[in-house]
Amino acid sequence: DVKVTQSSRYLVKRTGEKVFLECVQDMDHENMFWYRQDPGLGLRLIYFSYDVKMKEKGDIPEGYSVSREKKERFSLILESASTNQTSMYLCASSFLAGDRASYTFGSGTRLTVV
Amino acid sequence: AQKVTQAQTEISVVEKEDVTLDCVYETRDTTYYLFWYKQPPSGELVFLIRRNSFDEQNEISGRYSWNFQKSTSSFNFTITASQVVDSAVYFCALPEPNTDKLIFGTGTRLQVFP
Repeated sequence: DVKVTQSSRYLVKRTGEKVFLECVQDMDHENMFWYRQDPGLGLRLIYFSYDVKMKEKGDIPEGYSVSREKKERFSLILESASTNQTSMYLCASSFLAGDRASYTFGSGTRLTVV
Repeated sequence: AQKVTQAQTEISVVEKEDVTLDCVYETRDTTYYLFWYKQPPSGELVFLIRRNSFDEQNEISGRYSWNFQKSTSSFNFTITASQVVDSAVYFCALPEPNTDKLIFGTGTRLQVFP
């Protein structure tokens, strides 16, 4: 089974801090994603990457950046954390072809910015 | 346009009742995947099933079963003899072509009471 690991389940950061959320997958998937989930707004795509050093903006990229230096690792960066970035962050990796297709999420990081 | 509709916002049942969660989708693709995920209170998105549009066979996994009807664009999920541990939010999802971005339904909150 594909495993997607997010480094922290819970994080508390101060306004203005630079925050790194790390995500690692172990199945050599090319595609990786960062979503955030908020009550009443559902899951929204922040950024995705379809290869090393490649990235694409999702629906809500403002205030975020990403890094993909190695295929297995996709990092989400909050350059200067703000309280409106308090949310649940979910990383995923995917391979959508044939019988081995999968789309797997990590266990999520609940980030609180104070 | 890709769209997933889960019309049932919340369902409450008593343990051992059967319950069906509805999912209706729209897609311009002729071949596609559909997913169901479970989100317990802890927040992670747990993969339940992937369905390829080529395969219209219904699937059963223990107390869980899925009814895929391509003619009506529906992919419904039934839990037989529900248990308290089934209490969660359930999401149906459909990947967007070319990006693999997942389009989620709004989710159905299932509460199973003892």
